[in-house]
Amino acid sequence: EPEVTQTPSHQVTQMGQEVILRCVPISNHLYFYWYRQILGQKVEFLVSFYNNEISEKSEIFDDQFSVERPDGSNFTLKIRSTKLEDSAMYFCASRQRTRTASGNEQFFGPGTRLTVL
Amino acid sequence: AQSVSQHNHHVILSEAASLELGCNYSYGGTVNLFWYVQYPGQHLQLLLKYFSGDPLVKGIKGFEAEFIKSKFSFNLRKPSVQWSDTAEYFCAVLYGNKLVFGAGTILRVKS
Repeated sequence: EPEVTQTPSHQVTQMGQEVILRCVPISNHLYFYWYRQILGQKVEFLVSFYNNEISEKSEIFDDQFSVERPDGSNFTLKIRSTKLEDSAMYFCASRQRTRTASGNEQFFGPGTRLTVL
Repeated sequence: AQSVSQHNHHVILSEAASLELGCNYSYGGTVNLFWYVQYPGQHLQLLLKYFSGDPLVKGIKGFEAEFIKSKFSFNLRKPSVQWSDTAEYFCAVLYGNKLVFGAGTILRVKS
């Protein structure tokens, strides 16, 4: 069964450094998402991406964040200058394009745990 | 504001006990509702979903949920839990293009 994959599984970085988190969505999916979960808190929406542009973003997704689909398979989240409070689990998700409500299911990757020191 | 509330943060049950986890949401229009589970060290997995039709939805591993529109609720149930159900459970509502999650309920099943 196709799965969303994410690399790395764990990233440790120094405050102020740039990080790039990578995701490979399911191959026929056209909508892509990033969510994050700070330890002990709820999963929060960051951004959605469709047709090579951001379709929606949350207040969390400020100028320090960017997303890109550099080729036909990868979907990346870049944090330009990491802060301590960026430490969290980051989940990528994807879904297919469909006119049926059942196609609204988002499939999640295993997550990347980002630790900012 | 769009919000999802889960009533219990920690639940401890013995094996074979019945489970009900509460979930309420704030949006009053058409909603798509989900329950996800996260087993220790693993990623989010979909347990079940509701889009339309029969308000009683059956999912994987013997779980079910009932959508009650008048109460803005989507409670998760299982008649008899197993030790392997130990996990964190998240209710989520699709608002437009994004999922809004509840805070999660950590379920521990004692064997």
